[in-house]
Amino acid sequence: GENVEQHPSTLSVQEGDSAVIKCTYSDSASNYFPWYKQELGKRPQLIIDIRSNVGEKKDQRIAVTLNKTAKHFSLHITETQPEDSAVYFCASNTGFQKLVFGTGTRLLVSP
Amino acid sequence: NAGVTQTPKFQVLKTGQSMTLQCAQDMNHEYMSWYRQDPGMGLRLIHYSVGAGITDQGEVPNGYNVSRSTTEDFPLRLLSAAPSQTSVYFCASSFDRAQGPLHFGNGTRLTVT
Repeated sequence: GENVEQHPSTLSVQEGDSAVIKCTYSDSASNYFPWYKQELGKRPQLIIDIRSNVGEKKDQRIAVTLNKTAKHFSLHITETQPEDSAVYFCASNTGFQKLVFGTGTRLLVSP
Repeated sequence: NAGVTQTPKFQVLKTGQSMTLQCAQDMNHEYMSWYRQDPGMGLRLIHYSVGAGITDQGEVPNGYNVSRSTTEDFPLRLLSAAPSQTSVYFCASSFDRAQGPLHFGNGTRLTVT
């Protein structure tokens, strides 16, 4: 089955710095790669997603890049703010019916 | 729209007891799924459904049953609870199967003693 690996497990940055979280996937047929943010005690919420026919997508301070050949995709957050502190999950689909998640990255942004 | 509604929010069970976690959505989504979240292990797929009357297994289906008699409801049943099932359970739905955004419920925190 599909395997999604996510790194790092924790990431500490200073406010204003950039943060990068990386994921690799195993199913070459995967075509959908979302990123979710989960604040403490809350449900995961989608922050950005990308499909396999696109190499990069941006939404204000957040961007996602996809390298299909290498089977990896990354989340980039620029000008980080304390409210960006949360756990971030990547995911990829397999068989178009299952969404498999990475193990999460805890991002801490210090003022 | 209420979105995805899960009940209860918290539950404590003794080993061997059974219970049903309820999940309902009012967005007319055909695709619904159940995940469990454990520290350091992310979200793991238990079961999913692509429409009423159709269910299938995810990554960790053992010990759980599901049914989908209507588009709106997707209950998760624990037939004989075990301490290993202590977790936070999330129900999620999507308009576009696993090719579109998942809308999550607020979760159920289950403790099995």
